[in-house]
Amino acid sequence: EIVLTQSPDTLSLSPGETATLSCRASRPVSTTYLAWYQQKPGQAPRLLMYGTTTRATGVPDRFSGRGSGTDFAVTISRLEPEDFAVYYCQQYGSSPLTFGGGTKVEIK
Amino acid sequence: QVHLVQSGAEVKRPGASVTVSCEASGYTFTNYAIHWVRQAPGQRPEWMGWINIDSGNTKYSQKFQGRITITRDTSANTVYMELSSLRSEDTAVYYCARNYRGSLEFMDVWGQGTTVTVSS
Repeated sequence: EIVLTQSPDTLSLSPGETATLSCRASRPVSTTYLAWYQQKPGQAPRLLMYGTTTRATGVPDRFSGRGSGTDFAVTISRLEPEDFAVYYCQQYGSSPLTFGGGTKVEIK
Repeated sequence: QVHLVQSGAEVKRPGASVTVSCEASGYTFTNYAIHWVRQAPGQRPEWMGWINIDSGNTKYSQKFQGRITITRDTSANTVYMELSSLRSEDTAVYYCARNYRGSLEFMDVWGQGTTVTVSS
């Protein structure tokens, strides 16, 4: 199975700053098959991005994704209070579908 | 408005089985597969399997093969996930989630989650 490793574990930032979250795969993943989710405490994950760069419906353009091969990232520009959450990457190129361990973006 | 509404929390003894339901509304039920994903406290989400609602075909993670059964009732727009031979490590929040489209197996709509606690 493809193992996804996210870094850092925690990012402490202030509103208005920029967050860059990384996701590394244990073997190459096509850009078509990489998604990101946002999860807040006590809530289900929410789809943020798919196909590496495509924002889900309603996701603001301060979220952007990039990457290829084994290295992927999402950047959150101008952090808003509602952006502080845990973010997970997910690959859907091979079975079993797998998720990364998450990056928590917390208020500094 | 697309919604997936799951059944309530469960407490089970080790060795027992649990069934969690997921009722869909706001879209054509047979057009989208449904995944089951669980998340133990403080852990990453873990994919368990999915069902093609139209055909009833299923695909399970090898980790759960033999213990998991996913079924659907198209007359009730409901999917069921049964997990048997429960152990303490199965304590988690269980989510159903809609598959985006075809072979693009990511989840665009999620249920609210069902907490399953396995304890003696």
